[in-house]
Amino acid sequence: ELKVEQNPLFLSMQEGKNYTIYCNYSTTSDRLYWYRQDPGKSLESLFVLLSNGAVKQEGRLMASLDTKARLSTLHITAAVHDLSATYFCAVVGMEYGNKLVFGAGTILRVKS
Amino acid sequence: GAVVSQHPSRVICKSGTSVKIECRSLDFQATTMFWYRQFPKKSLMLMATSNEGSKATYEQGVEKDKFLINHASLTLSTLTVTSAHPEDSSFYICSARARSGGEKPQHFGDGTRLSIL
Repeated sequence: ELKVEQNPLFLSMQEGKNYTIYCNYSTTSDRLYWYRQDPGKSLESLFVLLSNGAVKQEGRLMASLDTKARLSTLHITAAVHDLSATYFCAVVGMEYGNKLVFGAGTILRVKS
Repeated sequence: GAVVSQHPSRVICKSGTSVKIECRSLDFQATTMFWYRQFPKKSLMLMATSNEGSKATYEQGVEKDKFLINHASLTLSTLTVTSAHPEDSSFYICSARARSGGEKPQHFGDGTRLSIL
């Protein structure tokens, strides 16, 4: 069974601070995705990471992928209130019918 | 960019009613569509995979007679929750995989909030 583990599950941070969300997965995969979900809304695609060592940045968010360690990180720099949301990582399990398997999600609250 | 339209966005109905949710890929052909269910503050749980022109593949524990899926064309899949009960209340999200592939594995609809009274 493909498992995707995120931590922390809940993160409360002050504006201006930095923090990292971690995503571990249990199978070989070179495709990992990060999504954002606002309350009551569907998923918004943030990053697509397709190879070992991939690093992508968009604004205050930066995502990286280490396929050897089966680890991806989502780093938040100088958080602002607008980043408050739930963040999911998801992995394509090629031995699992190319299904997208999601982590549990990290609820991020940025306090002013 | 690729767009998936999901309709309706919200449904409130009485127990025992059957509810149909539509998922359309607006500007691409989707050979495969996926249906997810999400409980409050939880992750997305894959319910079934729908392939155009063939029967849907259900995940373990998902009742196929309860959640009827039809993928009649390359741009439309429907999920019908039959004889819905309060425990079926949830947020349902569909996604579609483009025939041409591409970086993103799936494009997500906006979701349907189902509330059974």
